Amino acid sequence: GIQVEQSPPDLILQEGANSTLRCNFSDSVNNLQWFHQNPWGQLINLFYIPSGTKQNGRLSATTVATERYSLLYISSSQTTDSGVYFCAVEMNTGFQKLVFGTGTRLLVSP
Amino acid sequence: EPEVTQTPSHQVTQMGQEVILRCVPISNHLYFYWYRQILGQKVEFLVSFYNNEISEKSEIFDDQFSVERPDGSNFTLKIRSTKLEDSAMYFCASSERVGRPRGDEQFFGPGTRLTVL
Repeated sequence: GIQVEQSPPDLILQEGANSTLRCNFSDSVNNLQWFHQNPWGQLINLFYIPSGTKQNGRLSATTVATERYSLLYISSSQTTDSGVYFCAVEMNTGFQKLVFGTGTRLLVSP
Repeated sequence: EPEVTQTPSHQVTQMGQEVILRCVPISNHLYFYWYRQILGQKVEFLVSFYNNEISEKSEIFDDQFSVERPDGSNFTLKIRSTKLEDSAMYFCASSERVGRPRGDEQFFGPGTRLTVL
């Protein structure tokens, strides 16, 4: 099956710093989503981004489908950005299941 | 903004007992899913459901698991005889339609944390 790898696995930032999280996937995909899992375990939709670039406030994401990677940018990080960030992809197989990466655990300290 | 809801938020059960986890997908969505996340691990697909039948299921989704859409709004996951290893966060998700060539965005509920003692 498709492999979804995220890097770095762990990241510690000072408040106000910028960061880039990466998601590599091993096969063609129909869908790519980024999620933030908050300390209560909830999965918050950040981006639906099968290709191209999107921005939402301090967050932006870029997917280069032909090169099989996606990037999530966090600018001016805040303590509330702490948590685990997952990318998830849907393969180009006719089924709609999402395959999740192993996540990047982010800790933003004041 | 419409959202997926799940009940209960936390369920504690004894090994061997049956549990039913409930979800209300977004009202105009046609695809429904269950995923689970064992503590500290990544989220794993269990099953997808469309047009009142299972579309796809993973190896995890064995005979102990079943899904049902008992009415026009609810979507349930039943675990017939729970095991210790079923302890996990269970997420329900829904998506609007099959939008080829692009897949559709899936929206996740807040999860049910199942603890099997």
